[in-house]
Amino acid sequence: DAMVIQNPRYQVTQFGKPVTLSCSQTLNHNVMYWYQQKSSQAPKLLFHYYDKDFNNEADTPDNFQSRRPNTSFCFLDIRSPGLGDAAMYLCATSRGGGVGYEQYFGPGTRLTVT
Amino acid sequence: TQLLEQSPQFLSIQEGENLTVYCNSSSVFSSLQWYRQEPGEGPVLLVTVVTGGEVKKLKRLTFQFGDARKDSSLHITAAQPGDTGLYLCAGYKAAGNKLTFGGGTRVLVKP
Repeated sequence: DAMVIQNPRYQVTQFGKPVTLSCSQTLNHNVMYWYQQKSSQAPKLLFHYYDKDFNNEADTPDNFQSRRPNTSFCFLDIRSPGLGDAAMYLCATSRGGGVGYEQYFGPGTRLTVT
Repeated sequence: TQLLEQSPQFLSIQEGENLTVYCNSSSVFSSLQWYRQEPGEGPVLLVTVVTGGEVKKLKRLTFQFGDARKDSSLHITAAQPGDTGLYLCAGYKAAGNKLTFGGGTRVLVKP
């Protein structure tokens, strides 16, 4: 089945130690998104790629970076994780803007910072 | 300022009861999506409503898009424990590539 896959599902890192989360998709969608979600809150958009074009949200800290080496894969890099970065990180995809726009989410990666 | 307001924030009901979740905005959206998210999982798309006044049914779930495309509601009939989760509405504006999320409604259906 076509889907959005996130690895790992659970990630533990140490304070200040760089960590990378990965996302892949078999939907062949143009757009890939990274969200941060803290307990019982709505997802907060960090940035998205439309094809190779990177779009950062104004309030996303510089500590968060992203790479999209090809259509299928997108990575979230946290350069120096702080305790406040512990959260669920969600990847999502869409075909792009226009009629019929829908976003599809992966299962998420739960990040713990010790 | 939250562009999409969901209410209530939390709802606890007994199995078999009905419930309604509201999603309101002062902005017009081209479409609106509803998601359900279970603990430890990503949001799952339930429905997309596009036309003002549109009503869509998914088994015991009924979704309505307001005539002016500024608001939406989700009604669950005869709720079951499996309906427990975080319900999120998200609005889409034409020509953009992003969703505006509501704050979410946590629903707990007790057996």
